[in-house]
Amino acid sequence: DAMVIQNPRYQVTQFGKPVTLSCSQTLNHNVMYWYQQKSSQAPKLLFHYYDKDFNNEADTPDNFQSRRPNTSFCFLDIRSPGLGDAAMYLCATSRGDHMGEQYFGPGTRLTVT
Amino acid sequence: QQPVQSPQAVILREGEDAVINCSSSKALYSVHWYRQKHGEAPVFLMILLKGGEQKGHDKISASFNEKKQQSSLYLTASQLSYSGTYFCGTEDGGTSYGKLTFGQGTILTVHP
Repeated sequence: DAMVIQNPRYQVTQFGKPVTLSCSQTLNHNVMYWYQQKSSQAPKLLFHYYDKDFNNEADTPDNFQSRRPNTSFCFLDIRSPGLGDAAMYLCATSRGDHMGEQYFGPGTRLTVT
Repeated sequence: QQPVQSPQAVILREGEDAVINCSSSKALYSVHWYRQKHGEAPVFLMILLKGGEQKGHDKISASFNEKKQQSSLYLTASQLSYSGTYFCGTEDGGTSYGKLTFGQGTILTVHP
């Protein structure tokens, strides 16, 4: 089945220790998104890529970076995680047209100790 | 700017109906609706486009008032499986590759 895969599902890191979350898709979608979702809150968009065009949200901290080496893969790098970065990180994809729904991966739950 | 959803929470018995509203202060190109169960990823329910086009599941209906920048999701004859948090996601301007801003969510609980 075509899908969005995120690894790992659970990640524990130490305060200040860099961490990378990965997302892959078999849908061949043009657009990939990274969201941060904290408990009982809405998903908050951090970045999105249309193909290789990178779009950073204005309020995304510099501590967060992203890479998309090819159509299938996208990575979220957190350079120096703080306690406030503990959250669920959701990757999503879409065709990029206006009738294209977003397909979400299962998420990575990040814990910062 | 984040769209505003109402109500914040709804409690139903099986078979009852509910309406969830989503309102934006910006001119909208489209409204998307997703349902998220606890600990799971959001799942697509519906897209409504400016101009009337829409796509979604047969058992879910929704409306989009372009003049008021409001959308409503109608859940009829609710089932236990409808429980979860419902998010609207709004796309403004039609230029940003389906980029969505999500409302704060409405928690729906269906009891037997």
